[in-house]
Amino acid sequence: GAVVSQHPSWVICKSGTSVKIECRSLDFQATTMFWYRQFPKQSLMLMATSNEGSKATYEQGVEKDKFLINHASLTLSTLTVTSAHPEDSSFYICSARVRWSTSGELFFGEGSRLTVL
Amino acid sequence: QKEVEQDPGPLSVPEGAIVSLNCTYSNSAFQYFMWYRQYSRKGPELLMYTYSSGNKEDGRFTAQVDKSSKYISLFIRDSQPSDSATYLCAMSTTGNQFYFGTGTSLTVIP
Repeated sequence: GAVVSQHPSWVICKSGTSVKIECRSLDFQATTMFWYRQFPKQSLMLMATSNEGSKATYEQGVEKDKFLINHASLTLSTLTVTSAHPEDSSFYICSARVRWSTSGELFFGEGSRLTVL
Repeated sequence: QKEVEQDPGPLSVPEGAIVSLNCTYSNSAFQYFMWYRQYSRKGPELLMYTYSSGNKEDGRFTAQVDKSSKYISLFIRDSQPSDSATYLCAMSTTGNQFYFGTGTSLTVIP
């Protein structure tokens, strides 16, 4: 099956530092990847849609200068939380669609838990 | 009105019970329907995928889509403690934008 790998699975950082989270599709090419944020006992909140070779599309209310997304290849998208603050602490999850797929299936990474001290 | 409505539960059942999870939706253009299982502190795992209407069975899991009622269901037979998780429904029209339910928390008691 389609596997999406996310790294790191958890990270603790000091306030003001930047953190990069990687999302890789291991056995398929993904034209489109999605980044979500999830708060405890809540559903997924879409942050942005990342398309290979083009700028990400951010959802309303998500600061693009704060959450930098790069989708440089068909198997890798990165989310960088810049100048992180405690309120950025959350569970970040990526997902990917199989390139040229008409099935509509979406596969998720394992998630990355960010704690900003 | 939300695109997708899902009862958050929590739902608690004894081991071996049949579990029924449901979502309703408002957009009649949805044609891709998915159920995900999410364990605590993990990413969602695709359980069942259905295109358009009908039923799909995979082991102890059965997914049903009723487009006329805008209603989808996931049934879990012979539920096990390992089924304890949050179950999310998801839908899409073209596969480019996805809408998620809030998730139903399920606990299967041994």
